[in-house]
Amino acid sequence: DAKTTQPTSMDCAEGRAANLPCNHSTISGNEYVYWYRQIHSQGPQYIIHGLKNNETNEMASLIITEDRKSSTLILPHATLRDTAVYYCIVRVARGSQGNLIFGKGTKLSVKP
Amino acid sequence: GAGVSQSPRYKVAKRGQDVALRCDPISGHVSLFWYQQALGQGPEFLTYFQNEAQLDKSGLPSDRFFAERPEGSVSTLKIQRTQQEDSAVYLCASSLGGGGYEQFFGPGTRLTVL
Repeated sequence: DAKTTQPTSMDCAEGRAANLPCNHSTISGNEYVYWYRQIHSQGPQYIIHGLKNNETNEMASLIITEDRKSSTLILPHATLRDTAVYYCIVRVARGSQGNLIFGKGTKLSVKP
Repeated sequence: GAGVSQSPRYKVAKRGQDVALRCDPISGHVSLFWYQQALGQGPEFLTYFQNEAQLDKSGLPSDRFFAERPEGSVSTLKIQRTQQEDSAVYLCASSLGGGGYEQFFGPGTRLTVL
């Protein structure tokens, strides 16, 4: 699985959009981009994933560049409850057992 | 609730003691994963089960670590002769299958070895 690079930490004002970048320049054609987050003292939680098209669900939007070497997770209206460590993971979606390879992630602090 | 549960939530052990950590996955989930998370780090893969079969144990750090899932549901991670470096949060996750299925994580068991 390809490696990812994320900033160590970011701050965001409550109510504003939080844009979390991720670089994955060695991503392979059959690898998807996944985002999980981990709120303090909880297990990681799935947010969203995509291959090459932009994706949106009730939690967030995922923007993947055309060359697929980077992506951005967008939380449109961040709340204090969104304070967490966000992990960007690239993985093969089919034909693998599916264990996740986490990096250190980005610690997002949403401030009032 | 219908989520993944783990017990105990906290465990303190003296060095050299054996411990057993339990994971109750979501009913019907075929795949079960164990991860270890050291302080300030992301979770690291330990082992993977598909039903009752342990298909990958490449992440287990030593032969003191043993995991089982005898009936393809509940799983137990056992650590023998605990050492201080075993102190970590142990996370269990389950999913409908392997590959790209979403993994649902439990709250973890925080193990402290004195």
